[in-house]
Amino acid sequence: AQSVTQLDSQVPVFEEAPVELRCNYSSSVSVYLFWYVQYPNQGLQLLLKYLSGSTLVKGINGFEAEFNKSQTSFHLRKPSVHISDTAEYFCAVSPSGGYNKLIFGAGTRLAVHP
Amino acid sequence: DAMVIQNPRYQVTQFGKPVTLSCSQTLNHNVMYWYQQKSSQAPKLLFHYYDKDFNNEADTPDNFQSRRPNTSFCFLDIRSPGLGDAAMYLCATSGTGGGYTFGSGTRLTVV
Repeated sequence: AQSVTQLDSQVPVFEEAPVELRCNYSSSVSVYLFWYVQYPNQGLQLLLKYLSGSTLVKGINGFEAEFNKSQTSFHLRKPSVHISDTAEYFCAVSPSGGYNKLIFGAGTRLAVHP
Repeated sequence: DAMVIQNPRYQVTQFGKPVTLSCSQTLNHNVMYWYQQKSSQAPKLLFHYYDKDFNNEADTPDNFQSRRPNTSFCFLDIRSPGLGDAAMYLCATSGTGGGYTFGSGTRLTVV
């Protein structure tokens, strides 16, 4: 079975500052990793995903994440945040290959202040 | 654009009155999922279809059922909604290569 731990429930940050949202996972098999963003009363939008290959993954809106297999982590980073990045961010994992359900972390609320 | 569409965006239903939420996709994905997301919580998988094969999560209440009449459509039926069923319901699809696509969700209110 897989599990995901998002280490921070809330992250406050000032506009134009860098941010890192932390995610650790647990799995006995190889996995795919995802970050999703959710704005109020909206569905989930994919920011980026790691399937294989380069461990540094670049996504939309200037976000990137690095897969670290030894530390079982997949932290999300952005060098300079905007007010519009205020949202809930979910890290998710699924077993690699085939059709498998996503397991979500509890979410991190990113609050960007002017 | 290929996408996952959920209707309606907002649904109000009475306590105990059956309600159906709908989801359609133009991606031709084999798998369709229904997630329930309560306020300030992570999405929780209720069930999924692999083509016509239905897969129920062990802890999904019997009050929740689903139908998939064809590849494009999937429905979530709540037979007797309770106040605790108020949530955002998210439909998603997946194909090969770990690609999941979510709809915009239906916010269900039970009065």
